[in-house]
Amino acid sequence: DVKVTQSSRYLVKRTGEKVFLECVQDMDHENMFWYRQDPGLGLRLIYFSYDVKMKEKGDIPEGYSVSREKKERFSLILESASTNQTSMYLCASAGDRVGVYGYTFGSGTRLTVV
Amino acid sequence: LAKTTQPISMDSYEGQEVNITCSHNNIATNDYITWYQQFPSQGPRFIIQGYKTKVTNEVASLFIPADRKSSTLSLPRVSLSDTAVYYCLVGDYTNAGKSTFGDGTTLTVKP
Repeated sequence: DVKVTQSSRYLVKRTGEKVFLECVQDMDHENMFWYRQDPGLGLRLIYFSYDVKMKEKGDIPEGYSVSREKKERFSLILESASTNQTSMYLCASAGDRVGVYGYTFGSGTRLTVV
Repeated sequence: LAKTTQPISMDSYEGQEVNITCSHNNIATNDYITWYQQFPSQGPRFIIQGYKTKVTNEVASLFIPADRKSSTLSLPRVSLSDTAVYYCLVGDYTNAGKSTFGDGTTLTVKP
């Protein structure tokens, strides 16, 4: 089975800090995605990547950046954390661009910005 | 983007068949329909995917009418462990950035 591992389950950061959320997948998938999930707003796509060093904006990229230096690793960066970025962050990978055979999600990182 | 609409919640009893419908009136030719299950504090998990007609796997069936403006996830004989949030995703196979998750349906299975 594909495994998607997010480095932290829970994080607490201060406003203004630079925050790195790490995601690693072990199935050689080309496509990786970052979502955030908030009550009443569902899952919203932040950024995705089709290949190493390639990135594309999703629906809500403002305040975020990403890095894909290696195929298996996709990092989400909050350049200057703000309280409105408190959320559950979910990483996913897929063997094709929209998960024709399904996305595999990590367990999520619950980030609190204080 | 294909907007999706699902019921907010549904209740059922153990052993019953549950049908959850997702409306996606402006689905495009390139779009696939995928359903996911999510338990608290976990990421969504793939259940089933289809393009048209009917698809069945070991856990569920997916019914898609000819016009593809809706889809129905069917869970046969649910158990308490099927209590979860169910999401439909309408995804453009040419561009993941044009995929849209529904708001999710909270299914509660009662004994």
